[in-house]
Amino acid sequence: DTGVSQDPRHKITKRGQNVTFRCDPISEHNRLYWYRQTLGQGPEFLTYFQNEAQLEKSRLLSDRFSAERPKGSFSTLEIQRTEQGDSAMYLCASSAAELFFGEGSRLTVL
Amino acid sequence: KNEVEQSPQNLTAQEGEFITINCSYSVGISALHWLQQHPGGGIVSLFMLSSGKKKHGRLIATINIQEKHSSLHITASHPRDSAVYICAARGVASGTYKYIFGTGTRLKVLA
Repeated sequence: DTGVSQDPRHKITKRGQNVTFRCDPISEHNRLYWYRQTLGQGPEFLTYFQNEAQLEKSRLLSDRFSAERPKGSFSTLEIQRTEQGDSAMYLCASSAAELFFGEGSRLTVL
Repeated sequence: KNEVEQSPQNLTAQEGEFITINCSYSVGISALHWLQQHPGGGIVSLFMLSSGKKKHGRLIATINIQEKHSSLHITASHPRDSAVYICAARGVASGTYKYIFGTGTRLKVLA
């Protein structure tokens, strides 16, 4: 499978716990994006990378959210001290020209 | 007001009907994507446009840069076209490839 893969696909956690999501983009894609999507809404921008450089981060993103792409390949998105409002689908996409999305990681915070 | 607006938000059509979904944006863009998301499914890119018109099967996408408007048309609609259709605008500022998404149009095609 040469598409964008995300792991885990589902995560249920208790409020206050930390969670980490991983995204493996299409190998030759230098741009990688993280989005969050809640029911009935379009994807909301979180952050994006060009190679290993994090070029932009949403002002809406609190300090509890951090993302890395250490070698310009896979990326991780960590949420610390999760809150119920963090429950959403977290989408990763990669691009060279066309945009390709992963299946998403669904987070439920109890 | 969102920088990328779609209309309608919801659309129900009978099988075979011609469908149009509209996207208007207020920012300068370098490209616009039309995406499809099935219920519980991932997002698939249908088109990437920077000018003019593209066609793929029963789907046609057009963009008017001067009017900051794009449309997605579905000819001879089918129940399997039922999905959420999202337009995403890619920023024009130098060096940026950030996308701004519309909230989506939920299409239901009835048999």
